[in-house]
Amino acid sequence: SQKIEQNSEALNIQEGKTATLTCNYTNYSPAYLQWYRQDPGRGPVFLLLIRENEKEKRKERLKVTFDTTLKQSLFHITASQPADSATYLCALGSSGGGADGLTFGKGTHLIIQP
Amino acid sequence: DARVTQTPRHKVTEMGQEVTMRCQPILGHNTVFWYRQTMMQGLELLAYFRNRAPLDDSGMPKDRFSAEMPDATLATLKIQPSEPRDSAVYFCASGLGGTIYEQYFGPGTRLTVT
Repeated sequence: SQKIEQNSEALNIQEGKTATLTCNYTNYSPAYLQWYRQDPGRGPVFLLLIRENEKEKRKERLKVTFDTTLKQSLFHITASQPADSATYLCALGSSGGGADGLTFGKGTHLIIQP
Repeated sequence: DARVTQTPRHKVTEMGQEVTMRCQPILGHNTVFWYRQTMMQGLELLAYFRNRAPLDDSGMPKDRFSAEMPDATLATLKIQPSEPRDSAVYFCASGLGGTIYEQYFGPGTRLTVT
């Protein structure tokens, strides 16, 4: 069955350092991958999308890589700030055919220590 | 500032009662999703609609759950009868359906069934 793995343990990072979160998947051939941020008591918020034919995507301090051979995506936050503390979810999607729903990982809780 | 709205934000009910959750998608978005989030299972897709037509409800327990879109500005998720295992946060999300696109989530309805 399809499986998405994100580090279930909280990730503690010192302010100013780069935080790197991992998303691994099995039994899945996604057309694209998305990363969302979720704060307590709120819905997920879209951050970045990367397609299967793209290796890397950047947006301000965020960078996502997508390796379809390793079946892995890495999500980086550079110059991390306490305000970046949240749970980060990766989500895989198929393109077309009406299969619009995303399959989410359980998320990694990131804590940026001042 | 366009956003997805959900009502109620919190609902406590007794087992066996009917529960109705409502969602107003972002104006102009033609695809609406219902997700359920628990600590154990994470975020799971229940059902989704395109142009008000149901496309996939395979994630939903059919015997007690039903989802509808009476019009383009309202989506409903109903549970009848509710059970304690239905306790979770239910999210509605909307998007501009196409090949690949991000989803915009509402704040969620926290349901507790006693």
